[in-house]
Amino acid sequence: SQTIHQWPATLVQPVGSPLSLECTVEGTSNPNLYWYRQAAGRGLQLLFYSVGIGQISSEVPQNLSASRPQDRQFILSSKKLLLSDSGFYLCAWTVDRDQPQHFGDGTRLSIL
Amino acid sequence: GDSVTQMEGPVTLSEEAFLTINCTYTATGYPSLFWYVQYPGEGLQLLLKATKADDKGSNKGFEATYRKETTSFHLEKGSVQVSDSAVYFCALRVYNFNKFYFGSGTKLNVKP
Repeated sequence: SQTIHQWPATLVQPVGSPLSLECTVEGTSNPNLYWYRQAAGRGLQLLFYSVGIGQISSEVPQNLSASRPQDRQFILSSKKLLLSDSGFYLCAWTVDRDQPQHFGDGTRLSIL
Repeated sequence: GDSVTQMEGPVTLSEEAFLTINCTYTATGYPSLFWYVQYPGEGLQLLLKATKADDKGSNKGFEATYRKETTSFHLEKGSVQVSDSAVYFCALRVYNFNKFYFGSGTKLNVKP
């Protein structure tokens, strides 16, 4: 069966520090991968998605970036975090046609 | 463009009450429709889905029927429990497109 792993679960970082969040999927090949951010008590904001290795689509201009170095690995990065980057970050995967997305457990990021 | 609108929350009910959470959509193609549930501090879990008109998705006592004529996918449950307290998201995916569209989420509080 397919599984998705996100880590770390919780992260506290100072303003201006770098960021790296990792997401991996097991049990499927060539998935579409997604990064979302959820502010407290709010809905989902799509940040990036990827349909293949090295292919990244950015939805919102910001100081975050994403990379897909391997088929089932998706990384969210920043060189310098801002206070506004705080939130709950969710990774998700899907395959083609009419299939749903499946989400990881999320990373809660707090910027101090 | 494609979008999902769901009723504002929070919705507060007593245990064993009937639940309806409204969801309507706009889509340029033929969407698949989904309901997700998010418990505090967790990622989104797929609750149910419907991939074509008149399909009924069901799971754990929850149901939703894909109504093309009213572009709706309302979530219902006949008798809610305290354990159903969570945030519920309606979502759509146009067939074979890579992006998903989520509603803003509806928080459900069930009191004993």
